[in-house]
Amino acid sequence: DAGITQSPRHKVTETGTPVTLRCHQTENHRYMYWYRQDPGHGLRLIHYSYGVKDTDKGEVSDGYSVSRSKTEDFLLTLESATSSQTSVYFCACRGGIEAFFGQGTRLTVV
Amino acid sequence: AQSVTQPDIHITVSEGASLELRCNYSYGATPYLFWYVQSPGQGLQLLLKYFSGDTLVQGIKGFEAEFKRSQSSFNLRKPSVHWSDAAEYFCAVGTNTGTASKLTFGTGTRLQVTL
Repeated sequence: DAGITQSPRHKVTETGTPVTLRCHQTENHRYMYWYRQDPGHGLRLIHYSYGVKDTDKGEVSDGYSVSRSKTEDFLLTLESATSSQTSVYFCACRGGIEAFFGQGTRLTVV
Repeated sequence: AQSVTQPDIHITVSEGASLELRCNYSYGATPYLFWYVQSPGQGLQLLLKYFSGDTLVQGIKGFEAEFKRSQSSFNLRKPSVHWSDAAEYFCAVGTNTGTASKLTFGTGTRLQVTL
């Protein structure tokens, strides 16, 4: 599973507060991704990274930012959380062809 | 842009029956194709992948999938379903074009297995 750790695993936050989710990998994979999973939508790509300090937007990037200052860490920030961002967030890493996923972070915005 | 369609939201099969989950993709070049499985409350586990060569690929847990370029399909099959196969299944298409490398997922098919 490429040694992928997401933290926190669960979080409840209030509308308007900033939130940062962390993804840490131990396999030195080049590509890292953040997805959100919602019923009826499958997994939708928020942002991805193809190297340190190299990131790009996915299909649902509004309201989210990312940073990757080290190969092993990929941070997802909700600048001002909204109820529509209540979701399960998955990080994935990819060194070759297939991607490996973390266990997910369940975020609830109240 | 690449996309994936899984036309079946929910499928119910009896234990021991055969299974086929459909997946259609849209991508201009030869894609990388994947099937993932997700049990409740868990992350995604890779079942199998296709990127070149033999169009019939074998995966874990007795699953297989066939790449059909003419139909833009990558259907997942299993000859005899077990109750433990109940889960959600996701098809995905990937690229490997340098900075544009990313995976796009379908909306998933939830499999229910009756005893």
